[in-house]
Amino acid sequence: AQSVTQPDIHITVSEGASLELRCNYSYGATPYLFWYVQSPGQGLQLLLKYFSGDTLVQGIKGFEAEFKRSQSSFNLRKPSVHWSDAAEYFCAVGAMGNSGGYQKVTFGTGTKLQVIP
Amino acid sequence: DTAVSQTPKYLVTQMGNDKSIKCEQNLGHDTMYWYKQDSKKFLKIMFSYNNKELIINETVPNRFSPKSPDKAHLNLHINSLELGDSAVYFCASSRTASPNQPQHFGDGTRLSIL
Repeated sequence: AQSVTQPDIHITVSEGASLELRCNYSYGATPYLFWYVQSPGQGLQLLLKYFSGDTLVQGIKGFEAEFKRSQSSFNLRKPSVHWSDAAEYFCAVGAMGNSGGYQKVTFGTGTKLQVIP
Repeated sequence: DTAVSQTPKYLVTQMGNDKSIKCEQNLGHDTMYWYKQDSKKFLKIMFSYNNKELIINETVPNRFSPKSPDKAHLNLHINSLELGDSAVYFCASSRTASPNQPQHFGDGTRLSIL
């Protein structure tokens, strides 16, 4: 079974500073990896995804993530954080469910990002 | 237009009551999901339907019964509500049930049991 670890529960950065959120996964085959963002009172919104090919993927809102198979990591980055980026960020891995052919997505426990002026 | 909409947004009720949450998606997706997010923001899959057929049924008390009248709707009925059911419940959909499909989430239903 797959698993996802987000080691940082809470991160605080200054506006304009760079950001890196860590994600490690465990899955026997090539994973399908996602980053989602959740603003207060809202549902999750997809930032970016990785399936294959170029290991550096670009997403919305200026975010990017890099897949590193050797480290089983899929860290999220942004060069310059804006106050509106304050939210909860979830890493997720998609895999075949027990029923076969159907997806089962496992989410990490989330990292809460606080942005200070 | 809202892609995945859930009603109600807030639900406050007494222990022992029965309640339902409704979900509709207008994206033309085949697959829909129910998740439970606890107070620590941990998100756990409960059920998934693909073209009205139940495909994922995690370890959830049988007080929870999903129903999909058509592939655009997935409702969740909860009997005999307990304090531990207090959480935010999210509905989501994806184009297909393949693991490479991103999910689109509703804004959640915050359920509070008194």
